[in-house]
Amino acid sequence: EPEVTQTPSHQVTQMGQEVILRCVPISNHLYFYWYRQILGQKVEFLVSFYNNEISEKSEIFDDQFSVERPDGSNFTLKIRSTKLEDPAMYFCASKTLGGTGELFFGEGSRLTVL
Amino acid sequence: DQQVKQNSPSLSVQEGRISILNCDYTNSMFDYFLWYKKYPAEGPTFLISISSIKDKNEDGRFTVFLNKSAKHLSLHIVPSQPGDSAVYFCAASDLTGNQFYFGTGTSLTVIP
Repeated sequence: EPEVTQTPSHQVTQMGQEVILRCVPISNHLYFYWYRQILGQKVEFLVSFYNNEISEKSEIFDDQFSVERPDGSNFTLKIRSTKLEDPAMYFCASKTLGGTGELFFGEGSRLTVL
Repeated sequence: DQQVKQNSPSLSVQEGRISILNCDYTNSMFDYFLWYKKYPAEGPTFLISISSIKDKNEDGRFTVFLNKSAKHLSLHIVPSQPGDSAVYFCAASDLTGNQFYFGTGTSLTVIP
């Protein structure tokens, strides 16, 4: 069964460092997403991406964050300078275009900031 | 602005009994509703969905009910099994089908 894969499963970084989280969406999906879940809190939308550009982003997705699809398979989330409030599970998800249909989530990347 | 709300953070049910998880939403433009199940340290996995044109969708032990006038949906699990113990998230999408809003989750514990 096709799945969304994320790497690394756990990223430990120093505050102020850049972090790149990687995702390989399901191959025939066209919409890509990043969500995060801070421990004990809800799953929060960060950004959606379609046709090589951001289609929507939340208030959380400020200038510290960026997304990129550097090739035909990877979808990355970059945090330029990590802060103490950034630790969370970051989930990548993908979906076929439009209509009804569910998001398929990856296993998540846990970010720890020291 | 919390457009999708799950007011019960946790629920405990005896094995074999019915689990009922509730979800409310505020946006009348939501067109499609989903339930996701999440185990610790794993990503959410899709469980069941319902379109706004229906009021019920059933898949095995799982049934989702939608009450559009009340902007309320519920997930029924019958009979509940210990393996159902997880966090359940309600989600809604808009007419584009490409933007999803999640609730805060309900942690279900099924007691053997």
